[in-house]
Amino acid sequence: AQSVAQPEDQVNVAEGNPLTVKCTYSVSGNPYLFWYVQYPNRGLQFLLKYITGDNLVKGSYGFEAEFNKSQTSFHLKKPSALVSDSALYFCAAAGGATNKLIFGTGTLLAVQP
Amino acid sequence: GAGVSQSPRYKVAKRGQDVALRCDPISGHVSLFWYQQALGQGPEFLTYFQNEAQLDKSGLPSDRFFAERPEGSVSTLKIQRTQQEDSAVYLCASSSRTSGFYNEQFFGPGTRLTVL
Repeated sequence: AQSVAQPEDQVNVAEGNPLTVKCTYSVSGNPYLFWYVQYPNRGLQFLLKYITGDNLVKGSYGFEAEFNKSQTSFHLKKPSALVSDSALYFCAAAGGATNKLIFGTGTLLAVQP
Repeated sequence: GAGVSQSPRYKVAKRGQDVALRCDPISGHVSLFWYQQALGQGPEFLTYFQNEAQLDKSGLPSDRFFAERPEGSVSTLKIQRTQQEDSAVYLCASSSRTSGFYNEQFFGPGTRLTVL
């Protein structure tokens, strides 16, 4: 069975510092991986995806993610955090013939001013 | 609007009532997904439509859950005889699938269902 794990319920970081939100996956076949962000009372917003190619994927709002096949990881990163980045972040893998998303449990990112 | 819309945004139902949740996908999007997000959890897949065809309903938790998309655009998720465990946020997402198989999905704001 395919699964996605986000080992940290919450990540705290000071504004201006680099941030990392961790994600590991277990899928059969080639992994197709996504990051979404969820703000209160709003829908999930797409940040970036890895389908194939370069292991470093760049996305919206200055976020990037590094795909590591040997460690089955797809960590989300940003060089300098903003207070406005505070939100709930979900890692997901696309699975099955229908491209349904399998989500992790989410990581709450709190950026302190 | 340009995004996915859902209505109602909030729904309170008494146990045993039937509810209907509506999703308006982005115009022209072929694929439509429904997910259920329990409090403090990630979304979980319920069902998938390609145009009007329901190709995957493996995530529907019971036969009380029913979804349709009769004209390949608007979709309705119906829950019959609601139970307290049905309380969750129901998310709808659409995808174009015109430029690649693993296109990102665009999500609506969700409908928060509370069953008393």
